[in-house]
Amino acid sequence: QKEVEQDPGPLSVPEGAIVSLNCTYSNSAFQYFMWYRQYSRKGPELLMYTYSSGNKEDGRFTAQVDKSSKYISLFIRDSQPSDSATYLCAMREYGNKLVFGAGTILRVKS
Amino acid sequence: DVKVTQSSRYLVKRTGEKVFLECVQDMDHENMFWYRQDPGLGLRLIYFSYDVKMKEKGDIPEGYSVSREKKERFSLILESASTNQTSMYLCASSELRGQALETQYFGPGTRLLVL
Repeated sequence: QKEVEQDPGPLSVPEGAIVSLNCTYSNSAFQYFMWYRQYSRKGPELLMYTYSSGNKEDGRFTAQVDKSSKYISLFIRDSQPSDSATYLCAMREYGNKLVFGAGTILRVKS
Repeated sequence: DVKVTQSSRYLVKRTGEKVFLECVQDMDHENMFWYRQDPGLGLRLIYFSYDVKMKEKGDIPEGYSVSREKKERFSLILESASTNQTSMYLCASSELRGQALETQYFGPGTRLLVL
């Protein structure tokens, strides 16, 4: 079993939809949770991060962490075609290396 | 703005060749990383370095070596390329911030094809 599981998609939604992207994990020592966005033929860029449990909002993006269920989510409101990308979750223990999910391909159709 | 550059975007090599992938960062970051990215497997850490001339193995170091002679430059070496090393290679760098969150900044990647 992988430490971090993420559905690869692709997830296809119409413009304006609310998108929900998710990851599950098995290591209860993970404390830092991140979402990276990767456009085609580019490197990943950090989109959001949270420490421990709770929610964090940044514009149309909301990151949510539920440590009791070992489940993290990224919500995108009012999705745009420019949001079409691969979204990678990543997490790490205190002072340790990042572990990435496989990435979910998102396509927002206009 | 942090900039991480990689020497080549696309590379085609033959089995058995020695391959050098170069990465340069311009933000004086202590940490540098090499990952490979494969469909369905995500990013897997090959090697990382937290200081000049220092290196540590990641999750999949077999068949690879690294060199960090200068702080801004981190090289990945495939000693004898094999077809199963066909992949996207991503370099990243981050500040050394102890136990706190350290953001990793990625380069654009090198897509390597080994024939």
